[in-house]
Amino acid sequence: ETGVTQSPTHLIKTRGQQVTLRCSSQSGHNTVSWYQQALGQGPQFIFQYYREEENGRGNFPPRFSGLQFPNYSSELNVNALELDDSALYLCASSTGDSYEQYFGPGTRLTVT
Amino acid sequence: AQSVTQPDIHITVSEGASLELRCNYSYGATPYLFWYVQSPGQGLQLLLKYFSGDTLVQGIKGFEAEFKRSQSSFNLRKPSVHWSDAAEYFCAVGLSKQLTFGKGTKLSVIP
Repeated sequence: ETGVTQSPTHLIKTRGQQVTLRCSSQSGHNTVSWYQQALGQGPQFIFQYYREEENGRGNFPPRFSGLQFPNYSSELNVNALELDDSALYLCASSTGDSYEQYFGPGTRLTVT
Repeated sequence: AQSVTQPDIHITVSEGASLELRCNYSYGATPYLFWYVQSPGQGLQLLLKYFSGDTLVQGIKGFEAEFKRSQSSFNLRKPSVHWSDAAEYFCAVGLSKQLTFGKGTKLSVIP
């Protein structure tokens, strides 16, 4: 069974730039959720994708957007990067409406 | 407002000692409850979950947690801590398609 994978591991961007983070879900899982974890904080829910459509969204501005592909992998896109976007971005996969989510190792984004 | 509270930011225990990490939630209904562990630079690993039924749930790595509806709590316990348990622990609530996490408790283990 393949776990959740994310790429890249680390990323450094400049304020105002755009970034794309990628996630492959665990084998057999069709739902992907994205979380932002700032330093010293718990993860915060960004949004969830199910069957290639956004299925729920947290309190994040529209410059945070996503995609899910037919193979259930997913992308998180962030436009007009701000310094406060520096964080660990975690992807989690699950099946259907299950809250039992399995996390990837994360992508560490630094915005300078 | 709905929230998850982990009152202890940092706990230090001796190896072999027992451990209890506290978690309280504030929600109208009984949500789904989880404990995750995060080692430095790593993602989150699911330790255990509570959906319904028996209020004492067993997890991986010798951890257990007890759901107490009257106290809105879901405390994590381990009878004997190992040095490898040093990590950050997060309590989470599942509701409205998302997990809401507490701010975490960092566990240090003294040899």
